[in-house]
Amino acid sequence: DAKTTQPTSMDCAEGRAANLPCNHSTISGNEYVYWYRQIHSQGPQYIIHGLKNNETNEMASLIITEDRKSSTLILPHATLRDTAVYYCIVSNQGGKLIFGQGTELSVKP
Amino acid sequence: DAGITQSPRYKITETGRQVTLMCHQTWSHSYMFWYRQDLGHGLRLIYYSAAADITDKGEVPDGYVVSRSKTENFPLTLESATRSQTSVYFCASSEQNTEAFFGQGTRLTVV
Repeated sequence: DAKTTQPTSMDCAEGRAANLPCNHSTISGNEYVYWYRQIHSQGPQYIIHGLKNNETNEMASLIITEDRKSSTLILPHATLRDTAVYYCIVSNQGGKLIFGQGTELSVKP
Repeated sequence: DAGITQSPRYKITETGRQVTLMCHQTWSHSYMFWYRQDLGHGLRLIYYSAAADITDKGEVPDGYVVSRSKTENFPLTLESATRSQTSVYFCASSEQNTEAFFGQGTRLTVV
């Protein structure tokens, strides 16, 4: 599985868009980009995933660059409840997910 | 109820004891996973299974045993618990290249 690089921490003002970057320069053609988040000590929660095209769902948008070497998760209107650790993962092995250290997002009033 | 259930939620055991953590999912997902998360760190994959009777090692398999005789169950056994295995254990299930669903975790303390 390709490795990912994420900033250790980020801050975002409540109500503003949170843009979380992820570098995955060694991604191969059949690897998906997944985003999960973990709030406190709960089990990780799926957010979104994509292969080549940009994706949007009710939680977030995923923007993947044309060369697929990086991506950005966008939370359009961050709330205090979005404070969590966000994990960017690339995988093609039947959904086997190898977690890195993630980005600790703090949404501030 | 549909979902993924881990039991017990909390467990204290003594060094050297055998302990089994249970994981049950109701979706008939092909893939199941066990992770551990040490305090202040990310999740590490212990074992995973692509189908009943098919299991494979993850990043940190030493000291653990798994089995999967039925699609819906994926128990994790610590054959002889050590203090270093004190952790929060998460089970997950998914289909290939789709979202994974995680359980609420089992907090294991080895004394």
